[in-house]
Amino acid sequence: SQQGEEDPQALSIQEGENATMNCSYKTSINNLQWYRQNSGRGLVHLILIRSNEREKHSGRLRVTLDTSKKSSSLLITASRAADTASYFCAPASGGSYIPTFGRGTSLIVHP
Amino acid sequence: EAQVTQNPRYLITVTGKKLTVTCSQNMNHEYMSWYRQDPGLGLRQIYYSMNVEVTDKGDVPEGYKVSRKEKRNFPLILESPSPNQTSLYFCASSQRTTNTGELFFGEGSRLTVL
Repeated sequence: SQQGEEDPQALSIQEGENATMNCSYKTSINNLQWYRQNSGRGLVHLILIRSNEREKHSGRLRVTLDTSKKSSSLLITASRAADTASYFCAPASGGSYIPTFGRGTSLIVHP
Repeated sequence: EAQVTQNPRYLITVTGKKLTVTCSQNMNHEYMSWYRQDPGLGLRQIYYSMNVEVTDKGDVPEGYKVSRKEKRNFPLILESPSPNQTSLYFCASSQRTTNTGELFFGEGSRLTVL
């Protein structure tokens, strides 16, 4: 099963700045999902983008998908200290549509 | 409230003492899965189940067993735990038929094997 690889592994910014995380994957996908994990807690689904979509928005989140480059990015605008968490991309391929996970990006937003 | 419940949340045990981590979901989801999370290694899948009585190995199944006798429950069994199974474990479930595969996670079970 394939998994996404997030980049950077760690990101440290000031409150109010934008945070951009990237994800690359290897084979064609049905959809790609982004999850968030607060320290030691269960992952929470943020947003899903289908393979025929190029961009999606949800509140301060913007996700893009470039299937030709097999990559996706998550942009969090006007970051807040409460956005401090790990973020995982999870591509889903094959008939099961079940996402698989990589190592995540650890985001720290300083107040 | 829709949720995935894991128990215990924290456990310290000794090598070789069989233990079971329970997982239950109240969303009538077909798909359930177990992951372990270790520093620097991300989330790795242990076992998954597409439906009742259907289970399959994930990426790191050695040393673990599962069963899926009912739709809502998916226990993870460590027959003879070893220190390398010290980890943070997550159970997750999904309604496959919605064609999205969004996963709902439990709060995690932190296991220490001495």
